[in-house]
Amino acid sequence: KQEVTQIPAALSVPEGENLVLNCSFTDSAIYNLQWFRQDPGKGLTSLLLIQSSQREQTSGRLNASLDKSSGRSTLYIAASQPGDSATYLCAVRPELGGATNKLIFGTGTLLAVQP
Amino acid sequence: ETGVTQSPTHLIKTRGQQVTLRCSSQSGHNTVSWYQQALGQGPQFIFQYYREEENGRGNFPPRFSGLQFPNYSSELNVNALELDDSALYLCASSPGQEQETQYFGPGTRLLVL
Repeated sequence: KQEVTQIPAALSVPEGENLVLNCSFTDSAIYNLQWFRQDPGKGLTSLLLIQSSQREQTSGRLNASLDKSSGRSTLYIAASQPGDSATYLCAVRPELGGATNKLIFGTGTLLAVQP
Repeated sequence: ETGVTQSPTHLIKTRGQQVTLRCSSQSGHNTVSWYQQALGQGPQFIFQYYREEENGRGNFPPRFSGLQFPNYSSELNVNALELDDSALYLCASSPGQEQETQYFGPGTRLLVL
């Protein structure tokens, strides 16, 4: 059974710091891994999607890496800003998900960036 | 904004009651998935509908059921509510049953007393 774990559960940093969020998964049989951002009352927003054959993806100040064989992914946020404060979730799409785009999520990291 | 809307935004029910949650998909999307997110947890997959048929289900009991309509809007129905059903319910629409791009709605927060 696929399990997704995120560390740390919560993180508080001063504005301007670079930070790394970690995600691990137990079964390497995945199609892809996504990082989402969740703001209160606004659902989930996809930040980055990494295919299983890729090693990393970048979007602006965000960089996500994937090491499928070791079951790990990291989300790197450069020069953090107060507007980055949110819960960050990683999710994998398992190869054995059937004819669906089912995602298995971690429990998230609550990030607070202090001005 | 993703174009996916959900109603109501908040709901309070008592144990044993039944509830219906609604989701309006983004235009042109024929697939909708429902997730349950308990407080402090990540979302868990309930089921997916593709062109009005359920085509995948997570580890949820039969009292969780759904419908998808010809206009691809969707309902999640939960019978015999339990306290542990208190959660944020999210729907996500996509242009195909195995498409990677999914757009999530803002969710319905259900409290069962």
